[in-house]
Amino acid sequence: KQEVTQIPAALSVPEGENLVLNCSFTDSAIYNLQWFRQDPGKGLTSLLLIQSSQREQTSGRLNASLDKSSGRSTLYIAASQPGDSATYLCAVNQGGKLIFGQGTELSVKP
Amino acid sequence: DTGVSQDPRHKITKRGQNVTFRCDPISEHNRLYWYRQTLGQGPEFLTYFQNEAQLEKSRLLSDRFSAERPKGSFSTLEIQRTEQGDSAMYLCASSLGGLAVNNEQFFGPGTRLTVL
Repeated sequence: KQEVTQIPAALSVPEGENLVLNCSFTDSAIYNLQWFRQDPGKGLTSLLLIQSSQREQTSGRLNASLDKSSGRSTLYIAASQPGDSATYLCAVNQGGKLIFGQGTELSVKP
Repeated sequence: DTGVSQDPRHKITKRGQNVTFRCDPISEHNRLYWYRQTLGQGPEFLTYFQNEAQLEKSRLLSDRFSAERPKGSFSTLEIQRTEQGDSAMYLCASSLGGLAVNNEQFFGPGTRLTVL
């Protein structure tokens, strides 16, 4: 059974810092991996999708990597801003459905 | 089309009542998914449709839950005889799907259910 784990559960950083969020999964038989952002009480916003054959995806200040063989993905956020404060979720796609981690709650202090 | 929409956004009901939620996917998407999210947890898969066909249901989807997508467009999720444990955010997502199962899923704003 696929299990997705995100570390740390919560993170607080000063504005301007670069940071890395971690995601690990137990079964490497995945189609892709998505990173999402969720603001309190809201739905999910897709940030990046990495196909199983890819190693990296970039969008603006965000960079996501995927190492399928070791069951790991990282989300790198450059020059963090207070507006980046949210919960970040990773999810692996198995057979079309997403299996999520519990998320990392990020707080960026001005 | 601005994205996936869900209605209502919030629902408060008494235990034992039936509730129905609606999801309208992005218009050209033929796959539609339902997930449930409780406080402090990641979303959990409930079920998904390819056009009007329901292809998979999670064991989380008890007999009190039923989902439909009658014309392959919008979908409804009904919960009968609600229990306090049903209180959660119900999220809908859609994707292009078809033969390509690895398409990006886009989520709606969710329906927050509170069972008193």
